[in-house]
Amino acid sequence: SQTIHQWPATLVQPVGSPLSLECTVEGTSNPNLYWYRQAAGRGLQLLFYSVGIGQISSEVPQNLSASRPQDRQFILSSKKLLLSDSGFYLCAWSAGRPSNQPQHFGDGTRLSIL
Amino acid sequence: GEDVEQSLFLSVREGDSSVINCTYTDSSSTYLYWYKQEPGAGLQLLTYIFSNMDMKQDQRLTVLLNKKDKHLSLRIADTQTGDSAIYFCAESPLGARQLTFGSGTQLTVLP
Repeated sequence: SQTIHQWPATLVQPVGSPLSLECTVEGTSNPNLYWYRQAAGRGLQLLFYSVGIGQISSEVPQNLSASRPQDRQFILSSKKLLLSDSGFYLCAWSAGRPSNQPQHFGDGTRLSIL
Repeated sequence: GEDVEQSLFLSVREGDSSVINCTYTDSSSTYLYWYKQEPGAGLQLLTYIFSNMDMKQDQRLTVLLNKKDKHLSLRIADTQTGDSAIYFCAESPLGARQLTFGSGTQLTVLP
């Protein structure tokens, strides 16, 4: 069966420090991968999605970037964190084909910026 | 673009049925999903339905779709305290890779 792992579960970082959040998927090949941010425990904002290695689509302009160095690895990064980057970050995957496959989420990373 | 709306809060008594409602705006064929999020956790897929279906049932969960009104509901029978969570409705037009989420409905189950 397929599993998705995100780490760390919680992170406290000072303003201006770098960030690297990692997400890996097991048990599937060529998944679509997604990064979301959830503010105040409610609405999910899609940040990035990827349909293959090195292919990243950005949904909103921001201080963050994403990379997909391997088929089942998705990394969210920042060179200098802002206070507004605080939130709950969720990684998700879906089967690449056929389209409209449901997305499956990791357990999330709670990021607090001080 | 797509828009998905849900009421923010719902309270029910343990043992009663819960009905969580959602409306969407996309006019083409679309997939509709229900997710559950417990505090501090990720989203758990509950069920999904394609817009050519009217109803889908899975144990205590029943999804009803009114295509004409673009209205989706999730009914939870015999609601338990463990059902307390935020429930998200999401939509994905046919052929799309992304989901559009509603803002979530906080379900509180009272003893």
